[in-house]
Amino acid sequence: NAGVTQTPKFQVLKTGQSMTLQCAQDMNHNSMYWYRQDPGMGLRLIYYSASEGTTDKGEVPNGYNVSRLNKREFSLRLESAAPSQTSVYFCASSAQYSNQPQHFGDGTRLSIL
Amino acid sequence: GENVEQHPSTLSVQEGDSAVIKCTYSDSASNYFPWYKQELGKRPQLIIDIRSNVGEKKDQRIAVTLNKTAKHFSLHITETQPEDSAVYFCAAGGTSYGKLTFGQGTILTVHP
Repeated sequence: NAGVTQTPKFQVLKTGQSMTLQCAQDMNHNSMYWYRQDPGMGLRLIYYSASEGTTDKGEVPNGYNVSRLNKREFSLRLESAAPSQTSVYFCASSAQYSNQPQHFGDGTRLSIL
Repeated sequence: GENVEQHPSTLSVQEGDSAVIKCTYSDSASNYFPWYKQELGKRPQLIIDIRSNVGEKKDQRIAVTLNKTAKHFSLHITETQPEDSAVYFCAAGGTSYGKLTFGQGTILTVHP
C-alpha cells in the first residue's frame, strides 16, 4: 500500500519553463490537496479538490493550475515558472474534505533558476 | 478565512522533560484540530487529532487539549526523547470550506 505517491522527487527548471507535478493516491480518498512549504512559512494550500470533478483555489493559487484527472490522480501545473515558486510541494489526500486526517506524499523539491 | 497562530517557534528541552506547544485559531466554526510531526526532509505525519466535541485526547506520551471558548488548543509531550526532535505543525479545519489551515510550525529539539 503506497499511500500518496508524488513524481518527480526533485526538479530544476529555468525561469519561464513549464512542468506538471504528478500525484496519485491508492486509499480511495475523495479529497486531494496541493501545498507548498517554504522555510518559516509552514504549509500553504495552493489548490484542492473536494471530490472527483471539482477543484477550488486555496491560499496561494496564483501561477498554478490543477487537474483532477480521476479519483486517484491530482496534478499541479506551473505554466511559466518563476524563482518565487522555488519550494517543496506536497500532495495530500483525505477520505472527506472537511474533517478527516490528511495523508501526505514525500514531496517534490523544485528549484527554479 | 481561518487564521492559526502557533507558539513558540522554537523549543529546546532536555530529555525526559515535558514540551508544550500552543495554537490559537480564529474561526469559531472550526471543529477539527490535527497535529503533524515533520522530521527533516520527510513528509508531515499525523500524530494526534481532536474534534470539537472532545476536550482532551491522549495517546501514550502525547496529549492534546482543546478550549473552544478561548479558541486555543495545545500539544503536550511528556518524557521527551531525542527522537521527538522535529518540526510540529498544528492545524484547524472542518468548516464548510473544507480546508486545513496550518500554523507556522515549532522546531522542537530534545537534548540527550
